[in-house]
Amino acid sequence: GNSVTQMEGPVTLSEEAFLTINCTYTATGYPSLFWYVQYPGEGLQLLLKATKADDKGSNKGFEATYRKETTSFHLEKGSVQVSDSAVYFCGSGAGSYQLTFGKGTKLSVIP
Amino acid sequence: GAVVSQHPSWVICKSGTSVKIECRSLDFQATTMFWYRQFPKQSLMLMATSNEGSKATYEQGVEKDKFLINHASLTLSTLTVTSAHPEDSSFYICSADLDWKQFFGPGTRLTVL
Repeated sequence: GNSVTQMEGPVTLSEEAFLTINCTYTATGYPSLFWYVQYPGEGLQLLLKATKADDKGSNKGFEATYRKETTSFHLEKGSVQVSDSAVYFCGSGAGSYQLTFGKGTKLSVIP
Repeated sequence: GAVVSQHPSWVICKSGTSVKIECRSLDFQATTMFWYRQFPKQSLMLMATSNEGSKATYEQGVEKDKFLINHASLTLSTLTVTSAHPEDSSFYICSADLDWKQFFGPGTRLTVL
C-alpha cells in the first residue's frame, strides 16, 4: 500500500533560518503529493500540492518539488518566521481523496 | 470560508461508556466527510468515509460496530465510540469535502480511563 515517511521532529530553528523537512513516499502509480500545516488549536490546512513529476508547489514562501526519481517531496523555506511554528504533514493521495499522511513534523521557530 | 468545527475539543470518559463526537461544516454543505484517528507520534489514519444519507465506508481493520458514524445532514457527521476502552484513547480528526478538497476540523482528544 501507499506510505509516506517524513523526518521526525521536533525541529527548532532561529528566525530567518533555512528550513528543510524531508518527505519520501511509496505508491502505486503516480499520486498527488501534499503538504498540510496545522497551527495550534486549528485543523490541518493545505499548504501546497503537486500533481505530477517535476511540478513545484509553492505557497507563503514554502516550496516543494515532486521528484519521481527519488520519490521525494521535500518542503523548503528560505527564511522562516516565528509565525511558521506549527506541525507539518506530508501526504499523498489520488487527488485529494484517500490521503496517506506522514507522522508530522513539529517546527518551532524562536526569535 | 470552508470552516470545519468539532465538538468537543477534548473529552475524558470512563471505560465502558460511549462518547459522541460531532463534526460540522460551518459555511458549506458537505456530502462527504472523513474520520481519522491519530495516535501519539503516528500518522493520521483514515477510519471511514461518511456520505450523507447512506452508510459509512470503513477502512480495513476498523470495527464499524464500535465506531458508529451518522451523517444525517449535509453539515453534520457524528462519530460515536461505543463501549470505549483505554486503547481507544486517541486524537480523532474529521474533514469535510468541498469541491474535491478536504477541509479539516481541529480534532478531538479522547481519553478513556
